[in-house]
Amino acid sequence: DAKTTQPPSMDCAEGRAANLPCNHSTISGNEYVYWYRQIHSQGPQYIIHGLKNNETNEMASLIITEDRKSSTLILPHATLRDTAVYYCIVRVGQAGTALIFGKGTTLSVSS
Amino acid sequence: ETGVTQSPTHLIKTRGQQVTLRCSSQSGHNTVSWYQQALGQGPQFIFQYYREEENGRGNFPPRFSGLQFPNYSSELNVNALELDDSALYLCASSSGPGNNEQFFGPGTRLTVL
Repeated sequence: DAKTTQPPSMDCAEGRAANLPCNHSTISGNEYVYWYRQIHSQGPQYIIHGLKNNETNEMASLIITEDRKSSTLILPHATLRDTAVYYCIVRVGQAGTALIFGKGTTLSVSS
Repeated sequence: ETGVTQSPTHLIKTRGQQVTLRCSSQSGHNTVSWYQQALGQGPQFIFQYYREEENGRGNFPPRFSGLQFPNYSSELNVNALELDDSALYLCASSSGPGNNEQFFGPGTRLTVL
């Protein structure tokens, strides 16, 4: 699986958009970008994934650059409950078994 | 729809003891993965079970073992506990071994003294 690089921490004001970057410069053509988050003392939660097109669901949007070497997770209107560690994971689709988690980005949303 | 549940929530053991952690998968899911999360780190993959067979294993010694039952629930067993085994143990279920959308339980916090 391709390696990912994320900033260790970010701050965001409540109600503003949170834009979380992820670099995955060695991504290969059949690898998807997955995002999970982990709120303190809970298990990780799946957010969204994509291959090359931008994706949006009820939780977030995922923007993948045209060369696929980086992506951004966007929480359009961050709330205090979005304070969590966000993990960007690159994975071959339907490859099975392990998710490889790095240290992620700790997002702190404040009022 | 019932989510992933784990028991117990907290556990304290001493070095050398054995422990069994339990996981019930989400309704309709036949695959269970176990992860270990040390403080301040991301979860580390231990192994995955599919159709009652181990379907992949991370870099963990054989004293970490597991089972999956016909109802897809699962157990993680750790023998000869060491201090470094203190961690949050997470169980995740999915609708198949190739599905990367995994649904995690709340975890079991194990402390080894």
